[in-house]
Amino acid sequence: GQQLNQSPQSMFIQEGEDVSMNCTSSSIFNTWLWYKQEPGEGPVLLIALYKAGELTSNGRLTAQFGITRKDSFLNISASIPSDVGIYFCAGSLNFGNEKLTFGTGTRLTIIP
Amino acid sequence: DGGITQSPKYLFRKEGQNVTLSCEQNLNHDAMYWYRQDPGQGLRLIYYSQIVNDFQKGDIAEGYSVSREKKESFPLTVTSAQKNPTAFYLCASSIVGGGGNYGYTFGSGTRLTVV
Repeated sequence: GQQLNQSPQSMFIQEGEDVSMNCTSSSIFNTWLWYKQEPGEGPVLLIALYKAGELTSNGRLTAQFGITRKDSFLNISASIPSDVGIYFCAGSLNFGNEKLTFGTGTRLTIIP
Repeated sequence: DGGITQSPKYLFRKEGQNVTLSCEQNLNHDAMYWYRQDPGQGLRLIYYSQIVNDFQKGDIAEGYSVSREKKESFPLTVTSAQKNPTAFYLCASSIVGGGGNYGYTFGSGTRLTVV
């Protein structure tokens, strides 16, 4: 099955730094979602995007729906230790389609 | 509180044995899914179900079986035919037709280890 290309695969950053990651697809999506998975837990939805060009924030997190509909970006400002985890993007091919396509994940590690 | 519950959290299985992982949700979601996650890798779809008594194979269904006798429950059996079953298993649910818009709600996972 298809998986979205997510980069970088892993990041090692210092506390307080900003983080940027992105997700690209060969297919157009109508919905982009960003999830965070903490160690030993299931992913939790962070942000949902529904329109090309849309920019949505959730606290220190900001995500954008690319205008080509084939990519999305997630930024985390002023990282803190609890930001550690794996971040997954997910896309929906059709409006109301039940199955999501997931990215390969970006593992974020914060160095004290 | 509504949610999705997976049990047990940790499971050990001897080679050659079948084992069943439980997944229960009280969100009134129609669709349920099983994913497998290996270390450092993404999520791979095993099976999914959009309605009671019906389910579809995902990308890696070989060696697994499921049932959907009740809307709330979607147990996964890892059979002895699964050659490399050690992994983290995640169950999820969503509104039918809304999975693409509202996303999935995930359980907290079951870590299966073959000993």
